[in-house]
Amino acid sequence: DTAVSQTPKYLVTQMGNDKSIKCEQNLGHDTMYWYKQDSKKFLKIMFSYNNKELIINETVPNRFSPKSPDKAHLNLHINSLELGDSAVYFCASSRRTQTYEQYFGPGTRLTVT
Amino acid sequence: AQTVTQSQPEMSVQEAETVTLSCTYDTSESDYYLFWYKQPPSRQMILVIRQEAYKQQNATENRFSVNFQKAAKSFSLKISDSQLGDAAMYFCAYRSAYGQGGSEKLVFGKGTKLTVNP
Repeated sequence: DTAVSQTPKYLVTQMGNDKSIKCEQNLGHDTMYWYKQDSKKFLKIMFSYNNKELIINETVPNRFSPKSPDKAHLNLHINSLELGDSAVYFCASSRRTQTYEQYFGPGTRLTVT
Repeated sequence: AQTVTQSQPEMSVQEAETVTLSCTYDTSESDYYLFWYKQPPSRQMILVIRQEAYKQQNATENRFSVNFQKAAKSFSLKISDSQLGDAAMYFCAYRSAYGQGGSEKLVFGKGTKLTVNP
């Protein structure tokens, strides 16, 4: 059973389009995250949600909008895609009040042409 | 703000040998967690080992162990009996223990690419 899953794994699209990435976890965790890994492999937090409530919004352009319909899902919608949005996007989850390690999904490689 | 520094962009080791990856961090907090994640070419982020700052004993997981020096703010990863499957990017990460809004995030170093030579 996959603990944290993301769809799609690869996404190629043109500038100006709108796209979504979906994330689901079956670990019973209450906190979910989106991280961005750039071309130099640097990982940085974008958002986190706890029990469907936005906790972290880390200076991300408002073209990026996360949505959490329930504790097990956190989706990322991106409007008006730009070349600089090309990256790998990772979803992760954890229990906010326990041992704190975060479990990552397989990543979505987004390429904007 | 906390920062994590990995000063070795690349390292290599012979199969069956031991290698140590360095990590230093900067924080004013007294309680926190440190992690090493492995990212093989498949790009999956895999948790290797974690260390709670309040524990003096260094964490170990099979062939992986850490040398945690709290006063020096150092958290190195030792891989013993290196295997070809250990080849990957290794990321050191910091997480505050205080659990308030904004502090649950992982702060990552820039990574060390480990090559294992047969």
